[in-house]
Amino acid sequence: GENVEQHPSTLSVQEGDSAVIKCTYSDSASNYFPWYKQELGKRPQLIIDIRSNVGEKKDQRIAVTLNKTAKHFSLHITETQPEDSAVYFCAASTPPGYSTLTFGKGTMLLVSP
Amino acid sequence: KAGVTQTPRYLIKTRGQQVTLSCSPISGHRSVSWYQQTPGQGLQFLFEYFSETQRNKGNFPGRFSGRQFSNSRSEMNVSTLELGDSALYLCASSLIGNEQFFGPGTRLTVL
Repeated sequence: GENVEQHPSTLSVQEGDSAVIKCTYSDSASNYFPWYKQELGKRPQLIIDIRSNVGEKKDQRIAVTLNKTAKHFSLHITETQPEDSAVYFCAASTPPGYSTLTFGKGTMLLVSP
Repeated sequence: KAGVTQTPRYLIKTRGQQVTLSCSPISGHRSVSWYQQTPGQGLQFLFEYFSETQRNKGNFPGRFSGRQFSNSRSEMNVSTLELGDSALYLCASSLIGNEQFFGPGTRLTVL
């Protein structure tokens, strides 16, 4: 089955800095890669996703890049703010459909003012 | 649209008991997936239901089971509870081929 590795497990940055979280996956058939943000005591919230026919996707301060050859994808957050502090999870989904997600272990991002 | 709802939100059981958790998906969503979240193992896929059929199952023992009703609501059941079953159980609903939306979860504590 699919295996997703996520690094780093914790990341501390100063407000305004950029943050990068990296994930690798094992199954070359995986074709959908979402990122979720989970604040303490709350449900995971989808923040951005990318499908395998696209190399990069951007939404304001957040971007995701995908390298299918190397089987890795990354989350980039620019101009970080204290409210970005949370645990971020990457995931991969293998056909058919996108309803079975294999998650990375998560990255705790701490943005200091 | 109302989001995904789960009941109960908190549950305390003792070893050997069984428990049933409920999930109501977003209106129109026919796929419901269940995940177990623990500090050590992270988020792990349990199973997925679509149109009352289990389409996929994760690597969990047979004590974990589920079902889906004709209105897409889903339940999961854990029999013969063990201490290691203490976790946050999350369900997520989706339209086929689209992103999953998570419910708030049920926090299960096994004593």
